[in-house]
Amino acid sequence: VQLLESGGGLVQPGGSLRLSCAASGFTFTSYAMNWVRQAPGKGLEWVSAINGAGDDTYYADSVKGRFTISKDNSKNTLYLQMNSLRAEDTATYYCAKDRTGYYAPLDYWGQGTLVTVSS
Amino acid sequence: ERVMTQSPATLSVSPGEGATLSCRASQSVSSNLAWYQQKPGQAPRLLIYGASTRATGVPARFSGSGSGTEFTLTISSLQSEDFAVYYCQQYYNWPLYTFGQGTKLEIK
Repeated sequence: VQLLESGGGLVQPGGSLRLSCAASGFTFTSYAMNWVRQAPGKGLEWVSAINGAGDDTYYADSVKGRFTISKDNSKNTLYLQMNSLRAEDTATYYCAKDRTGYYAPLDYWGQGTLVTVSS
Repeated sequence: ERVMTQSPATLSVSPGEGATLSCRASQSVSSNLAWYQQKPGQAPRLLIYGASTRATGVPARFSGSGSGTEFTLTISSLQSEDFAVYYCQQYYNWPLYTFGQGTKLEIK
């Protein structure tokens, strides 16, 4: 299993960014995928999840209405569209696969991509 | 929302000794509890799921126990590579996961 995030960078407050996570080594449609973030020096915060088919999505209250999770099963790629970014969204964003596809922890994580929101 | 609280925030232990980390849930999570290890500059690594089942490749010196609202991660005979930050996570409300704030295990 490999998960490779990309798309992070520096963005101004109010701006937008799209993160990608290329997945390989497992059946992408069989597992829920997640985004988890970690602000510098802080703990882990779950951000969003999408089921294997891509037709059910879930969000933390802190990002609801601003972030959109999606996936392209033909490309084995997970996305996170982030709009109306705020300074408090500054973090390393990890994509992570859940272990069994249902009521399970996260067994594989990418290396993370850093998003910095600053003017 | 189920709030996860870990204690202590920092634990200082000498190599070769054992360590016990605690995690408390604000409401029962049954056995839907996982533990992760994170080293500086690395992604978290799944250690324990189902409160007590070791993930693939995790050494036997790591053990988990508990159910409901009280959980423990025990590491026997600490090795140098075990000094890291440890997080508990509930997945009772899958996929609306919540993590504890972490316990930093440092060398005494």
